[in-house]
Amino acid sequence: DTEVTQTPKHLVMGMTNKKSLKCEQHMGHRAMYWYKQKAKKPPELMFVYSYEKLSINESVPSRFSPECPNSSLLNLHLHALQPEDSALYLCASSRRGGTNTGELFFGEGSRLTVL
Amino acid sequence: GEDVEQSLFLSVREGDSSVINCTYTDSSSTYLYWYKQEPGAGLQLLTYIFSNMDMKQDQRLTVLLNKKDKHLSLRIADTQTGDSAIYFCAESTNAGKSTFGDGTTLTVKP
Repeated sequence: DTEVTQTPKHLVMGMTNKKSLKCEQHMGHRAMYWYKQKAKKPPELMFVYSYEKLSINESVPSRFSPECPNSSLLNLHLHALQPEDSALYLCASSRRGGTNTGELFFGEGSRLTVL
Repeated sequence: GEDVEQSLFLSVREGDSSVINCTYTDSSSTYLYWYKQEPGAGLQLLTYIFSNMDMKQDQRLTVLLNKKDKHLSLRIADTQTGDSAIYFCAESTNAGKSTFGDGTTLTVKP
C-alpha cells in the first residue's frame, strides 16, 4: 500500500462554514504535510507534522487549523475562509521526520472552492 | 534562502528527447527531486539524486547534477504523449522541508 488518500476530492463552502479535509497513509511514514497549490503554481508548504508533533507552521492564518490524531492521519480544519483560499490542498508524507526527510508521497488533493 | 528556478514551457515531438533544466541556490541541498503532475492530480515522484552523485539513470529518465553550477537536468528519452504534464524540480535541505521550482509544462505533440 503506497497511497496517500485524501477526502473529500472536492469541497465547496461558504465563508461562514466550518469544514475539514482529511488525509490518511498506511505506509508507516513519520512525517505528514499540508501544501496549498494555486493553478499553474508550485505547491506552497503550510504545515509539517514530524513524529505526530507540529514542527513547521509557515505563518499560515489561524482560519486553517491542522490536527494529527495519530501517525496515520492528518486533518486540516477550515473556518471563516476567504475566496482567495480556493485552491488544491495537497497532503504528503515522508518516511522520516526531522531534518532529512527524503522524498514526498502526495495524495491526489482536495479541491476547495470558497464562495 | 532557498530558490529553485525552471523554464516554464517545453514543447517536443513524440519520439524526441526532452530536457528540462533547473537551477538551485542552496548549497546545503542533500537530495534533489523531480516530480510530475498531471492535470487534476497530485504530484508523483519520478526520480531523485543524492547531492554527491552526478548522474542517475532510471529507464527512460536520466538525471544530471552539476553541483558546482547548482544545475540539475531531467532527460526523458523517446518522449510520449503520456509524458505531457508539469514537471517540478525540488530540493531538500536539512531544514526538514522541500522547496519547489515553478514547474515546467511539457507538451508532447504527435
